[in-house]
Amino acid sequence: DIQMTQSPSSLSASVGDRVTITCRASQSISSYLNWYQQKPGKAPDLLIYAASSLQSGVPSRFSGSGSATDFTLTISSLQPEDFATYYCQQSFSTPLTFGGGTKVEIK
Amino acid sequence: QVQLQESGPGLVKPSETLSLTCTVSGGSISSYYWSWIRQPAGKGLEWIGRMYTSGSTNYNPSLKSRVTMSVDTSKNQFSLKLRSVTAADTAVYFCARSRARLDFYYMDVWGKGTTVTVSS
Repeated sequence: DIQMTQSPSSLSASVGDRVTITCRASQSISSYLNWYQQKPGKAPDLLIYAASSLQSGVPSRFSGSGSATDFTLTISSLQPEDFATYYCQQSFSTPLTFGGGTKVEIK
Repeated sequence: QVQLQESGPGLVKPSETLSLTCTVSGGSISSYYWSWIRQPAGKGLEWIGRMYTSGSTNYNPSLKSRVTMSVDTSKNQFSLKLRSVTAADTAVYFCARSRARLDFYYMDVWGKGTTVTVSS
């Protein structure tokens, strides 16, 4: 199985801050990397697919980058509705695997 | 737009079989992969497996011996059976649709999730 490691596991930030979350794969996955946002009690929402493609309807302050084993999700200016947990997920091979999550909290 | 709704018992006894159904509305079930994912309370996401509407399946090896997925295209539904459950199978269970751009697959539509508790 491909292991996905996210860092940090949690962070505190203020509205307007630039936030960066990293995800590392245990082997090269090319650009087969997706990012999801999950709010408490809700299902995950797709933000980014194929490492850097913005899902339709997702605000442009979200962006993704990276390839092979190292990936980044960036929120350029954190908004109140962005406080949530973020997960990366590889689609290179089955079993599909998720990172452990990064909880973004209000400072 | 396409919506997914999970349904099934919220309480299952240990050693019995967990059975869930995901109903697809607002679109066709055909020509997509359909996945099940679970999340224990306060923990991360675990992919259980997926099924294509042709009937082909991929299961997580950690659960493969206990999992069966099926699809009923006439009802626009797909199903999960997990046998011999224990307390470790207590979780919120989500169904999700996978679609692809080129060969990049991603889960773009999710159900709201259903909580399943394993307890006697």
